[in-house]
Amino acid sequence: DAKTTQPPSMDCAEGRAANLPCNHSTISGNEYVYWYRQIHSQGPQYIIHGLKNNETNEMASLIITEDRKSSTLILPHATLRDTAVYYCIVRVLYIQGAQKLVFGQGTRLTINP
Amino acid sequence: DGGITQSPKYLFRKEGQNVTLSCEQNLNHDAMYWYRQDPGQGLRLIYYSQIVNDFQKGDIAEGYSVSREKKESFPLTVTSAQKNPTAFYLCASRVGVAGELNTGELFFGEGSRLTVL
Repeated sequence: DAKTTQPPSMDCAEGRAANLPCNHSTISGNEYVYWYRQIHSQGPQYIIHGLKNNETNEMASLIITEDRKSSTLILPHATLRDTAVYYCIVRVLYIQGAQKLVFGQGTRLTINP
Repeated sequence: DGGITQSPKYLFRKEGQNVTLSCEQNLNHDAMYWYRQDPGQGLRLIYYSQIVNDFQKGDIAEGYSVSREKKESFPLTVTSAQKNPTAFYLCASRVGVAGELNTGELFFGEGSRLTVL
C-alpha cells in the first residue's frame, strides 16, 4: 500500500469548512483513497473513499488532484462532534489473497466553538 | 442490527498472565483484522484473516495469537510473551469478495482497553 502524509494537527472554527489534506505521491493507478475518523476511545468510522473523481456523501466531500498525488477531505460545516483524529489511507479496493491495511498517525482535528 | 462486538471493553491483567479478547461480527464478512493503538499513535496491524481457518501475521504479531474457527469470530490472545501489552485493541472486518456493492469499507468494533498491572 502507498504511504500517506498528513499534518499531525489542525484547528477549525465551528460552522466553518474543515479542509484536511493528505499526500500520497506514490499511489498506484488501482489504489483508492479512503478516509476514516476516530473519536476518542472509540473505533474508527468510515467517512468516504474515491479513485480519481471527486466524491460527496452526507458526511463529507473528497477532492482528489488530477495527478492523484494528493487529496483533501472537506467537512463543509464543522461541528464540535467532528473533533476527532482523521486517517487517510490508500489501497486497492480488493486483491486476491493476503492484504494488509495500514493506518498512519492521522490528523487530530479540533473544532473550536 | 449488524455490527462488530468486542468484549470486554476494559480489562486488567497481571504480568505473566494470558488474556483473550473477543471479537464477534454478524455482518457475514470474510475478512477480519486486529489492530493495536498506543496513545497518540495510529493503528498497527497485529493479525488478519481472509477466510475461516486461515490467518496471517501483521506487522507486530510477536506475543499475540489468534484463531478463526468460525466466520463470525476472531479472538485475540495476548500472551505473557508480549513485552508491553497495555494498549487499546481494535477489531475490524470487511467484505472479502470483490463485487458491485463492495466498497472495501472497514467496520470497526468499539475497542478493548487492556491494562497490565
